[in-house]
Amino acid sequence: NAGVTQTPKFQVLKTGQSMTLQCAQDMNHNSMYWYRQDPGMGLRLIYYSASEGTTDKGEVPNGYNVSRLNKREFSLRLESAAPSQTSVYFCASYKRGRFQETQYFGPGTRLLVL
Amino acid sequence: GQQVMQIPQYQHVQEGEDFTTYCNSSTTLSNIQWYKQRPGGHPVFLIQLVKSGEVKKQKRLTFQFGEAKKNSSLHITATQTTDVGTYFCAGTSGGSYIPTFGRGTSLIVHP
Repeated sequence: NAGVTQTPKFQVLKTGQSMTLQCAQDMNHNSMYWYRQDPGMGLRLIYYSASEGTTDKGEVPNGYNVSRLNKREFSLRLESAAPSQTSVYFCASYKRGRFQETQYFGPGTRLLVL
Repeated sequence: GQQVMQIPQYQHVQEGEDFTTYCNSSTTLSNIQWYKQRPGGHPVFLIQLVKSGEVKKQKRLTFQFGEAKKNSSLHITATQTTDVGTYFCAGTSGGSYIPTFGRGTSLIVHP
């Protein structure tokens, strides 16, 4: 199993450009998440998807849109990138077992907006 | 909404010294999870605590969940350079599937 995969690993954008960050998981998890990580700010939730066909806003959704394409894939779109969106983006999926709950994170996408 | 505070933000230690990071929640938690993120890496699950007063050990790491299920700690005995990274706690309450993360404690170990 690959776990959670993300593409691209790195990206440089100019202000106003758009892009989509891709995420896929092969663990058959229902819930998926997008976080951004900035120095000293920890992990902040952008959007999440509790199950296929549903998406909801997290703590910092402005400037982003998401699509839960199917159970495996959850993409994050920046329609008009801004320098404030320079960050590391992590996708995660959530396993809710009978005795344990675990988030599995992808390797991250490092985004620089100039 | 639920908030999880984590202290300290940074901790410098000499190799061999102990290290502790603390998490406090504004609400009672159903469970708390701990993650480790190596520099340049992604968060990796370490452990989950569910029961009031629970203590779990993983080699040199000791995890505690408070009696009121509102606080937790991670203690590392005799740190090694391999312990370097940021440690996050994440709490879940009620039936939520959205963990609330603390801001993390970055551990720097000096050889």
